[in-house]
Amino acid sequence: AQKITQTQPGMFVQEKEAVTLDCTYDTSDPSYGLFWYKQPSSGEMIFLIYQGSYDQQNATEGRYSLNFQKARKSANLVISASQLGDSAMYFCAMRKNYDMRFGAGTRLTVKP
Amino acid sequence: GAVVSQHPSRVICKSGTSVKIECRSLDFQATTMFWYRQFPKQSLMLMATSNEGSKATYEQGVEKDKFLINHASLTLSTLTVTSAHPEDSSFYICSATDLAGGRNNEQFFGPGTRLTVL
Repeated sequence: AQKITQTQPGMFVQEKEAVTLDCTYDTSDPSYGLFWYKQPSSGEMIFLIYQGSYDQQNATEGRYSLNFQKARKSANLVISASQLGDSAMYFCAMRKNYDMRFGAGTRLTVKP
Repeated sequence: GAVVSQHPSRVICKSGTSVKIECRSLDFQATTMFWYRQFPKQSLMLMATSNEGSKATYEQGVEKDKFLINHASLTLSTLTVTSAHPEDSSFYICSATDLAGGRNNEQFFGPGTRLTVL
């Protein structure tokens, strides 16, 4: 079974600084996708970034980048130049054959 | 990007009543839709996977007779919480997969439905 682990229940970062949110996963399947979602207090799930298991390069989307270390089974999210609006819950997810499972989440708070 | 809507966004009902939640893909066809439940301060837990025209596949521990799922068309799936009780109060989120594969196989999430059972 898929297992996604986010070990940081909460993180604080100073505005304009970078922050790394950790995510490790466990699967024996060679084909999978890794996702990061942001969930503000409104509850909507906002897609941030995707990394395929066969992708050679780390994914980047604007201020978001995914530090994919396949051998270590980690997919950490790096947010550069943090903004106050980045304060939210962040979920790491893994998908195999359209079956997506989520980690416990990390609450990020950006301090002014 | 693809849009998924849910209705209602909030519902309050009395214990023992049934509540239906709709999930629609507005601008794409979704062969597969997923229903998640999220309790306060917790993660999303997959309840069931529904494929258009066939029976839903429920996760272990989810009562299929209590949470009825119907996926009658490529754009609509419904979740009915039957004989709701206070412990069913939660945030219910649906997601859908674009028939054409979507952007990087993305799943598109609805805005969620907050159910409160009194």
